[in-house]
Amino acid sequence: DAGVIQSPRHEVTEMGQEVTLRCKPISGHDYLFWYRQTMMRGLELLIYFNNNVPIDDSGMPEDRFSAKMPNASFSTLKIQPSEPRDSAVYFCASSSSGTGGNEQFFGPGTRLTVL
Amino acid sequence: AQSVTQLDSQVPVFEEAPVELRCNYSSSVSVYLFWYVQYPNQGLQLLLKYLSGSTLVESINGFEAEFNKSQTSFHLRKPSVHISDTAEYFCAVSHRQSGAGSYQLTFGKGTKLSVIP
Repeated sequence: DAGVIQSPRHEVTEMGQEVTLRCKPISGHDYLFWYRQTMMRGLELLIYFNNNVPIDDSGMPEDRFSAKMPNASFSTLKIQPSEPRDSAVYFCASSSSGTGGNEQFFGPGTRLTVL
Repeated sequence: AQSVTQLDSQVPVFEEAPVELRCNYSSSVSVYLFWYVQYPNQGLQLLLKYLSGSTLVESINGFEAEFNKSQTSFHLRKPSVHISDTAEYFCAVSHRQSGAGSYQLTFGKGTKLSVIP
């Protein structure tokens, strides 16, 4: 398996622009997680899905952030409009409830820079 | 609610010296425990995990961690570090039981290990 795939790997945009980050989880995994990592706040869980349904979005910082999972193999995290304080590395991770242990597999991340 | 405390944000150590990265957790229910490693400009990779059974777990590259229930700790150790071990290490915990929310991982803030030649 190719592992969790994220695109783009790097994104540079200007304040006010819309940003869309993409994630393809490992095939067969039924949980998908979006995290944000910054120097100041460390690793933060933004939202997670189970069987394509959002379960907990309490970590989403504000209404400018939205996430969708239209099918089992694709998820997006959208920021509209983007702000400089959104600059961070965004990780997607997936896991399977069938294997037990709750291990999460992480993608390589998207480094977002908002100018 | 559960939480994870990694007491040291940075740990410098000379090559071939031993190292211990500390992790303490709090939880009202039984847990699974994990150590993840993040190399520069990469995602997190699972290093080792404790699910059940022997309280001492090992990784393929020489790290080990011991689950201590009475002290609610899961410290990571390596008897002799290598330059390539330079990375950030994250301790994480999740609920043992099934149910909504049990598949979340709660992460510590990470410990940056710097191996000095």
